[in-house]
Amino acid sequence: SAVISQKPSRDICQRGTSLTIQCQVDSQVTMMFWYRQQPGQSLTLIATANQGSEATYESGFVIDKFPISRPNLTFSTLTVSNMSPEDSSIYLCSVDFGTDTQYFGPGTRLTVL
Amino acid sequence: GESVGLHLPTLSVQEGDNSIINCAYSNSASDYFIWYKQESGKGPQFIIDIRSNMDKRQGQRVTVLLNKTVKHLSLQIAATQPGDSAVYFCAENPGGSNYKLTFGKGTLLTVNP
Repeated sequence: SAVISQKPSRDICQRGTSLTIQCQVDSQVTMMFWYRQQPGQSLTLIATANQGSEATYESGFVIDKFPISRPNLTFSTLTVSNMSPEDSSIYLCSVDFGTDTQYFGPGTRLTVL
Repeated sequence: GESVGLHLPTLSVQEGDNSIINCAYSNSASDYFIWYKQESGKGPQFIIDIRSNMDKRQGQRVTVLLNKTVKHLSLQIAATQPGDSAVYFCAENPGGSNYKLTFGKGTLLTVNP
């Protein structure tokens, strides 16, 4: 199975700043996804990040707040911009190798003060 | 919109007992379902999946049952072990060209020694 890593694993940030989260896969994959998991909650899809095209955002999430890059088939970044305490969450990337099954990275635990 | 939900938010069992975690889904068009296990501080881990043309699938100590008539999904864990303690999420894929997963609320399973 693929190895999916995320950096940083956790961070504490000041409000008004931005944080870029990286997701690296050890094999090429077409579809990558970014999720948010608020404390004690389930997973909510932020956007689908496809190589060679713009990310597709879900309702309630906008590119200005969560810009995404997908420069190649093994890497993606999610930026959380102009952070507020409400952005404190776990941010997860996942990949789909074309089987409909998504495999997740370990997550980035973000605390905004 | 349609959603996936769980009947029991928490489940406490004795080590060695069998566990059953339930999930109700409302999108009758969903044709693929996944169970994930999320341990504290980790990303969701794939456990088992099932497609809508099946009503039962078995893995190692786990069985997933799908009842399309009542739109119900369950995860059975045999001989539950302390290492099974985690939050369990069901997820559904609406099928077709839509690769997105919709996650249920999650059930916290606690295994008592």
